[in-house]
Amino acid sequence: QVQLQESGPGLVKPSQTLSLTCTVSGGSISSGSYYWSWIRQPAGKGLEWIGRIYTSGSTNYNPSLKSRVTISVDTSKNQFSLKLSSVTAADTAVYYCARGVSSSWFLGGWFDPWGQGTLVTVSS
Amino acid sequence: DIQMTQSPSSLSASVGDRVTITCRASQSISSYLNWYQQKPGKAPKLLIYAASSLQSGVPSRFSGSGSGTDFTLTISSLQPEDFATYYCQQSYSTLVFTFGPGTKVDIK
Repeated sequence: QVQLQESGPGLVKPSQTLSLTCTVSGGSISSGSYYWSWIRQPAGKGLEWIGRIYTSGSTNYNPSLKSRVTISVDTSKNQFSLKLSSVTAADTAVYYCARGVSSSWFLGGWFDPWGQGTLVTVSS
Repeated sequence: DIQMTQSPSSLSASVGDRVTITCRASQSISSYLNWYQQKPGKAPKLLIYAASSLQSGVPSRFSGSGSGTDFTLTISSLQPEDFATYYCQQSYSTLVFTFGPGTKVDIK
């Protein structure tokens, strides 16, 4: 079955850019009615959707982060990536990648599966 | 943005208890509502999609209901492995997905 794995630096300095990659295994990132999302969770808090990308390149971002977020996809590597610029301590969180499953009767869909998550700490 | 609320924020229950968690949307979201279970240190896991459809592999003691603004996740007979935090998530607004704040279920 499809599995997702996040990778990237665990420590980022304030004002710099956070960069993470999600590698998809067990299936092609281009197959099916899927989109690919990033979701984050500060320690002890709830889940915040960051954005999504279709393999066509079409993206949607959370308005609260839109000015700082870029999500891209590399179908040749079966990967998609997140860049979050001008980070502060408030961006410290566990970052998850997830596959979005949509259909004609449920355009928004649901997230399944999720990667295991990676902790990113913003600190000097 | 569509805001999601959950009640209670936490609850204590015993093995075998029937547990009900409520999720409310700030506007009608039809049946575009999903439920996830998260255990400490783990990624969320999909339980229910489209308000009442059980994800493959999820035990039948989990069920979901509701439409419009009010939704319910029910665990018919709580098992030791069900102690976790549960989140609802709306997919009605396809431009911005939002999660509820979570309901923590712990041992009484």
